[in-house]
Amino acid sequence: DAGVIQSPRHEVTEMGQEVTLRCKPISGHNSLFWYRQTMMRGLELLIYFNNNVPIDDSGMPEDRFSAKMPNASFSTLKIQPSEPRDSAVYFCASSRDLSSYEQYFGPGTRLTVT
Amino acid sequence: DAKTTQPNSMESNEEEPVHLPCNHSTISGTDYIHWYRQLPSQGPEYVIHGLTSNVNNRMASLAIAEDRKSSTLILHRATLRDAAVYYCILREANAGGTSYGKLTFGQGTILTVHP
Repeated sequence: DAGVIQSPRHEVTEMGQEVTLRCKPISGHNSLFWYRQTMMRGLELLIYFNNNVPIDDSGMPEDRFSAKMPNASFSTLKIQPSEPRDSAVYFCASSRDLSSYEQYFGPGTRLTVT
Repeated sequence: DAKTTQPNSMESNEEEPVHLPCNHSTISGTDYIHWYRQLPSQGPEYVIHGLTSNVNNRMASLAIAEDRKSSTLILHRATLRDAAVYYCILREANAGGTSYGKLTFGQGTILTVHP
């Protein structure tokens, strides 16, 4: 299995631009999680889905952030407009379901907003 | 969410055992204890988990105190590849709970392994 796939691996954009991060979970996994990691705040859970339905988005920092999961094999995290403080590594993770003890993390997308 | 407390950093020598402590005095009866680690420039990876009894797997052992207010991750023979940030996390196992399925990461313990 290829594991969780994230794209792009690196993104550099200017303040005010729209940024879209993509994630393909492991086939057969029904739960998907988006995290953000910064030096100051550590690893934070932004939002998670179960069977393509958002379960908890309380970690989404602002209305500028939105996430979708149109089908079981694809999810996006969008930031519009982007700001320098959004610079971070964004991880996507998946698990078989919410009762699973193991989440599998992707390699992350390093976002730099100038 | 129930919180965990870990030392900021620990050091070990290669091929020696490492004991990584974690305090979780506010743990509830439905919380599992999970350990993840994050190698440099990678996403976190699952290490081990347990509820009440000690657990062993190919990566590590987990020793859980009888009152469940603390636990220790044991790496039996540290290698250079074990240098990472180790996270101790409480995960709610109650399907009706508001935190069900979530992992809340703290700051973790930075483990340095010396050759």
